[in-house]
Amino acid sequence: SAVISQKPSRDICQRGTSLTIQCQVDSQVTMMFWYRQQPGQSLTLIATANQGSEATYESGFVIDKFPISRPNLTFSTLTVSNMSPEDSSIYLCSVPGTGGRTQYFGPGTRLLVL
Amino acid sequence: LAKTTQPISMDSYEGQEVNITCSHNNIATNDYITWYQQFPSQGPRFIIQGYKTKVTNEVASLFIPADRKSSTLSLPRVSLSDTAVYYCLVGLTGGGNKLTFGTGTQLKVEL
Repeated sequence: SAVISQKPSRDICQRGTSLTIQCQVDSQVTMMFWYRQQPGQSLTLIATANQGSEATYESGFVIDKFPISRPNLTFSTLTVSNMSPEDSSIYLCSVPGTGGRTQYFGPGTRLLVL
Repeated sequence: LAKTTQPISMDSYEGQEVNITCSHNNIATNDYITWYQQFPSQGPRFIIQGYKTKVTNEVASLFIPADRKSSTLSLPRVSLSDTAVYYCLVGLTGGGNKLTFGTGTQLKVEL
């Protein structure tokens, strides 16, 4: 199984500022996914990040608000820009598992925007 | 992706068997059924996946009837540590495919 770490694990930010979340995987993967989980809610896919190409965003999410970098096959960042209290959520990254049966998730980054 | 319906919450006691049923009436021929478990402050974790009939692993069993319009996750002899949210997903739900999470079922296990 893949081991995924995220930094920071949690943060408290002021509205109007930006936060960059890092996702590190212990193996090379072509695809990485970023999800958002709002308080008490289920997970919603933000975007798919492939190394060497622009990220693909889901409906309701735009690159200006959630820019993503994918500089190599083991690392990705998600930036939450110009934050508002509505951005308070847990942000998780995931990668495909071998054999195509599953995905492995990171521990998440808990963000609180004041 | 097929929409899923599952109970919002369930309560149980240690040592009991817990069955969580998920409805997915418009499942497609190529769709698999996958269950994930999420503990507080952690990302979801794959539990089990199946296409039809019954699948069993060291953690759970998955029962899928012939029409595949529903599925039941069975957790034998639950313990306090099984308290978590359980998500039923339908579709091409592994690997590099996008995952669509429903509301999930909050299972609470008590002594």
